[in-house]
Amino acid sequence: AQKVTQAQTEISVVEKEDVTLDCVYETRDTTYYLFWYKQPPSGELVFLIRRNSFDEQNEISGRYSWNFQKSTSSFNFTITASQVVDSAVYFCALSGGNAGNMLTFGGGTRLMVKP
Amino acid sequence: EPEVTQTPSHQVTQMGQEVILRCVPISNHLYFYWYRQILGQKVEFLVSFYNNEISEKSEIFDDQFSVERPDGSNFTLKIRSTKLEDSAMYFCASSVGGGSGYGYTFGSGTRLTVV
Repeated sequence: AQKVTQAQTEISVVEKEDVTLDCVYETRDTTYYLFWYKQPPSGELVFLIRRNSFDEQNEISGRYSWNFQKSTSSFNFTITASQVVDSAVYFCALSGGNAGNMLTFGGGTRLMVKP
Repeated sequence: EPEVTQTPSHQVTQMGQEVILRCVPISNHLYFYWYRQILGQKVEFLVSFYNNEISEKSEIFDDQFSVERPDGSNFTLKIRSTKLEDSAMYFCASSVGGGSGYGYTFGSGTRLTVV
């Protein structure tokens, strides 16, 4: 069975601080995909990134960066110089193997960025 | 950019009533999904649908639930006799393929409130 754990339920930072959201996953599959989604107060799910299990290169997109480490089964997400608009719930998710395209979500981390 | 459209955005219904949540997936997508998010909790898989039949379903998706693609564009989720615990945000999603490497596009959700 697949499992995604986001141990931080809530994080509060002041604007311009850097913040890292942790994600640890469990799977027996050798081929899998990891995702991050943002859920702003309006409720929709906004896709941020997809990473396959064979690509351990870290990725940077503007103020966002992702650190994938297979050895520790982690896929952490860092926001640099956080802004108030980054305030949202962030979900890490996993798909692959016998689960096919079904997404298993973590419990989410609520990020509050204060001015 | 193509999007998945869900209607209504918010529905209030009385316990025991039937509800139908509607979704219009992206036109060239072949796989369709419903997910549920109880307020403040994680997003959970309900069902996937391909070639006019259910391909996978979770244990949440019991006999109270059904899905249908009544025409070439709509994809619906029906809850036959709603319960208070069915109150949640329901997300529709679609993908081009069914393998784990295919990304989803999520709709903006329907918030169902059962009173």
